[in-house]
Amino acid sequence: EDKVVQSPLSLVVHEGDTVTLNCSYEVTNFRSLLWYKQEKKAPTFLFMLTSSGIEKKSGRLSSILDKKELFSILNITATQTGDSAVYLCAVGTYNTDKLIFGTGTRLQVFP
Amino acid sequence: GAVVSQHPSWVICKSGTSVKIECRSLDFQATTMFWYRQFPKQSLMLMATSNEGSKATYEQGVEKDKFLINHASLTLSTLTVTSAHPEDSSFYICSASTDDSYNSPLHFGNGTRLTVT
Repeated sequence: EDKVVQSPLSLVVHEGDTVTLNCSYEVTNFRSLLWYKQEKKAPTFLFMLTSSGIEKKSGRLSSILDKKELFSILNITATQTGDSAVYLCAVGTYNTDKLIFGTGTRLQVFP
Repeated sequence: GAVVSQHPSWVICKSGTSVKIECRSLDFQATTMFWYRQFPKQSLMLMATSNEGSKATYEQGVEKDKFLINHASLTLSTLTVTSAHPEDSSFYICSASTDDSYNSPLHFGNGTRLTVT
């Protein structure tokens, strides 16, 4: 059975800290891994990763994929209170259009 | 960027009534849309895949007669929760991608919070 596991489930930090969120997966016919940020409403797209070792970066957020070890990390540097959200990792396969979501990591950033 | 509009944002209904949720792709055509359900503090669970012009594909355990999906055009999919019960109260989210290739990310609507009293 395909599965996506995120860790930690919850994280509390202070502003300015750097955090690393983890996503590991076990799927057949891996196609892509996606990171989403979910605040009060629906998830918003952050990154899509398809190749190992190529870092994707957007401001203070960056992500990288390791297809050999079957995981990805999402880094957030110099965290701000606006980074507080649930971060979802999802994996797509060539078997189907649908995404398999992890349970998410709830990040809380306090001033 | 690609925009997916979902309506309504929230709805309260009585047990036994039906509720329709609309999902529109505003600036692109979507032959496939997805419907998810999310319980508090849990991840998104795929309910069904909505295919334009054909029947939806439901995930295991999702009652197709209870959650009716219609994808009548390339920009509109609807989810109707029939004979709603309190246990159907949840956050429902639709999504679509800008093309049918496997390498395009999904864009999500803002979700509909359904409360059944």
